[in-house]
Amino acid sequence: DGGITQSPKYLFRKEGQNVTLSCEQNLNHDAMYWYRQDPGQGLRLIYYSQIVNDFQKGDIAEGYSVSREKKESFPLTVTSAQKNPTAFYLCASSTTGPNSPLHFGNGTRLTVT
Amino acid sequence: AQSVSQHNHHVILSEAASLELGCNYSYGGTVNLFWYVQYPGQHLQLLLKYFSGDPLVKGIKGFEAEFIKSKFSFNLRKPSVQWSDTAEYFCAVRSKAAGNKLTFGGGTRVLVKP
Repeated sequence: DGGITQSPKYLFRKEGQNVTLSCEQNLNHDAMYWYRQDPGQGLRLIYYSQIVNDFQKGDIAEGYSVSREKKESFPLTVTSAQKNPTAFYLCASSTTGPNSPLHFGNGTRLTVT
Repeated sequence: AQSVSQHNHHVILSEAASLELGCNYSYGGTVNLFWYVQYPGQHLQLLLKYFSGDPLVKGIKGFEAEFIKSKFSFNLRKPSVQWSDTAEYFCAVRSKAAGNKLTFGGGTRVLVKP
């Protein structure tokens, strides 16, 4: 079955530590995205990539970093500079073009204490 | 910059009632519009989408949405809801001019009472 795999489902970290969230897709999609979901704020775009070795900042990129070395993978690092990292993180992918819907993973819930 | 506004944060209604969720977007150019749904404990799923043509779009599970360009709106409707429609609903807009980013509204939590 094709799809998007995010791991782990739950992640706990101490404040001051960087943490990397995994996202893998086998849909052969060129574009991949990271969103953050907070209650009442919907989904906010962190970073997106439309092709391998290229990515752009979304609306709330500060304190995050990404890489896109392979088409299938788009890991997100939450750095210690992110002031409010506890959230639900969603990865998505799509074919390119504005009329392509996004396919979402099941998300990773990150808790930083 | 494109943005999306969903007017209701929470909606509570009884089974068989009609549902309408408001969605307005800010960008005035050519846009593609989407409604996604997130059922409890599940991942986001596409409910319906509008690209061009007939402004009344039909989606899965009896949902439909109407694109009204003059009002920058894309409201979601269902004539008769079921308990299983309890979920969070997100409107989203995407445009080439905004780099094909998909921008979401804040979401509306819908609770259908049996």
